[in-house]
Amino acid sequence: NAGVMQNPRHLVRRRGQEARLRCSPVKGHSHVYWYRQLPEEGLKFMVYLQKENIIDESGMPKERFSAEFPKEGPSILRIQQVVRGDSAAYFCASSPTLGTVSGNEQYFGPGTRLTVT
Amino acid sequence: DAKTTQPNSMESNEEEPVHLPCNHSTISGTDYIHWYRQLPSQGPEYVIHGLTSNVNNRMASLAIAEDRKSSTLILHRATLRDAAVYYCILRVATLTQGGSEKLVFGKGTKLTVNP
Repeated sequence: NAGVMQNPRHLVRRRGQEARLRCSPVKGHSHVYWYRQLPEEGLKFMVYLQKENIIDESGMPKERFSAEFPKEGPSILRIQQVVRGDSAAYFCASSPTLGTVSGNEQYFGPGTRLTVT
Repeated sequence: DAKTTQPNSMESNEEEPVHLPCNHSTISGTDYIHWYRQLPSQGPEYVIHGLTSNVNNRMASLAIAEDRKSSTLILHRATLRDAAVYYCILRVATLTQGGSEKLVFGKGTKLTVNP
């Protein structure tokens, strides 16, 4: 099985532009998570989605950020009107269906490094 | 998620064992202990997890204290490739749909492996 795929790996945007980050989960996984890692900081949870549903968006900034995980296709993290403070590494993770007693490990992608100039 | 405490950094020599400690004194009975690591410029990688008993897999061993208030990740023979930030995370295993399954990362322990 292929792992979590993210693209692009590097993205440069000017202030005010839109950034679209894509994530294809592990085949068969129906749960997707987005995390952000600011320079020299730890990973912070942003949003948790299942197919066509946002389950937990408690870590998402209230404005400019949105996420979706459509029935078909990859999950998309969208950042409108980017600012320099959005420069970070954005990681996507996926996990299989809930219901196991293992605590469900998450499988992470390689990340998208967004630079806002 | 319950809070964990880890040393900021540790150092080891190649091919020697490494013991990475984690304190989680407020752990509850349903919290699983998970370990992830993040190699430089890469996404986090699952290492191991356990509940009460010690666990072994191809990557590492997890030793859990009898009172579960602490645990230790053991790398039996460190290699240069093991240099990473190691995160100890407590997670509740949910058996119902819809619960939040987010990982709450602390600062972790930065492991340096000397050749």
